[in-house]
Amino acid sequence: NAGVTQTPKFRVLKTGQSMTLLCAQDMNHEYMYWYRQDPGMGLRLIHYSVGEGTTAKGEVPDGYNVSRLKKQNFLLGLESAAPSQTSVYFCASRLGTGELFFGEGSRLTVL
Amino acid sequence: SQELEQSPQSLIVQEGKNLTINCTSSKTLYGLYWYKQKYGEGLIFLMMLQKGGEEKSHEKITAKLDEKKQQSSLHITASQPSHAGIYLCGADRLSGGGADGLTFGKGTHLIIQP
Repeated sequence: NAGVTQTPKFRVLKTGQSMTLLCAQDMNHEYMYWYRQDPGMGLRLIHYSVGEGTTAKGEVPDGYNVSRLKKQNFLLGLESAAPSQTSVYFCASRLGTGELFFGEGSRLTVL
Repeated sequence: SQELEQSPQSLIVQEGKNLTINCTSSKTLYGLYWYKQKYGEGLIFLMMLQKGGEEKSHEKITAKLDEKKQQSSLHITASQPSHAGIYLCGADRLSGGGADGLTFGKGTHLIIQP
């Protein structure tokens, strides 16, 4: 089982560039999440989705957009990257209640 | 919003010793989750606690949720190098449902000295 897969795993951007992180899960989970992890800040929720075609804001949504066109995929977009968005991004999914299943992370550096 | 405080922030323990990590909430915990993260990798689920006074064990790791459901502890017995990493506690952001995910503590960095 692949579980939760994130692509790309590493990316370097220049300030102002755009990019999309892709998260795919093969567990038929309804709920999907994007978190960012920064030193001293822990994991913070960016956006989440409770089903295909739905999205909602988390704790730190500014500067990011998301889309869930298919149940198995959750995309995180940066329209104009800033150095403050340098972070490790984690996607997670969940069936309902119960644990979140995490991807291995995507390390983004914005110069 | 719910905030989780973890203590200690970091911990250096000699191999074979026992240790405890704490997670304290300002509000009632409706679901408390423990994860482990190896440096540079994803999060691995350890245990979930929901009921006051609940205790669960897996191998040498035991997690407890207090009766008031505001504090949880993670205890490792006879620590090994494989226990090294970052331990995070997470809690359901709102009561029940689970749709809006978990809020996490900042983590405890555990180093095991041989």
